[in-house]
Amino acid sequence: KQEVTQIPAALSVPEGENLVLNCSFTDSAIYNLQWFRQDPGKGLTSLLLIQSSQREQTSGRLNASLDKSSGRSTLYIAASQPGDSATYLCAVLPYTGANSKLTFGKGITLSVRP
Amino acid sequence: ETGVTQSPTHLIKTRGQQVTLRCSSQSGHNTVSWYQQALGQGPQFIFQYYREEENGRGNFPPRFSGLQFPNYSSELNVNALELDDSALYLCASSSPASGDNEQFFGPGTRLTVL
Repeated sequence: KQEVTQIPAALSVPEGENLVLNCSFTDSAIYNLQWFRQDPGKGLTSLLLIQSSQREQTSGRLNASLDKSSGRSTLYIAASQPGDSATYLCAVLPYTGANSKLTFGKGITLSVRP
Repeated sequence: ETGVTQSPTHLIKTRGQQVTLRCSSQSGHNTVSWYQQALGQGPQFIFQYYREEENGRGNFPPRFSGLQFPNYSSELNVNALELDDSALYLCASSSPASGDNEQFFGPGTRLTVL
């Protein structure tokens, strides 16, 4: 059974700091991994998707990496801003097609202090 | 391109009642998945629908049921509501044929059971 872990549960950093959010998963047989952002009480916004054959993806100040063999992904946020404050969740999809479901971590709640 | 929409935004019910939540998929997506997110937790998979058929189910009792319509919109029905059903309910649409099978989430419906 796939398990996804995100540690720590919460993180507080000063504005401008570069930071790394970690995600680990127990079963390396994945199709892809997605990082999501969730603002309080809101839905999920997809940030980055990495296919199992890829090593990293970049979008603006965000960079996500994937090491499937070790069961790890990181989300790097450059020059953090107060507007980055949110909960960040990673999720893995085991395969594409019927009955394939995302397995989520519990998320990391990020607070960026002005 | 229209994103995933959900209605209603918030809902308050009492124990034993029944509720119907609605989701409109992103244009071109034929697969919809429903997730339950309790406070402080990652979303948990309820079930998935593809071409109007249930396509996989998580660890939820039969009082959680769903429908998908020809236009790919979907409903989640919960009978005999319990206090523990209080959560944020998220739907996600996707198109496995797209290759990357990226999941796009709606804003969610916050259900409170009193």
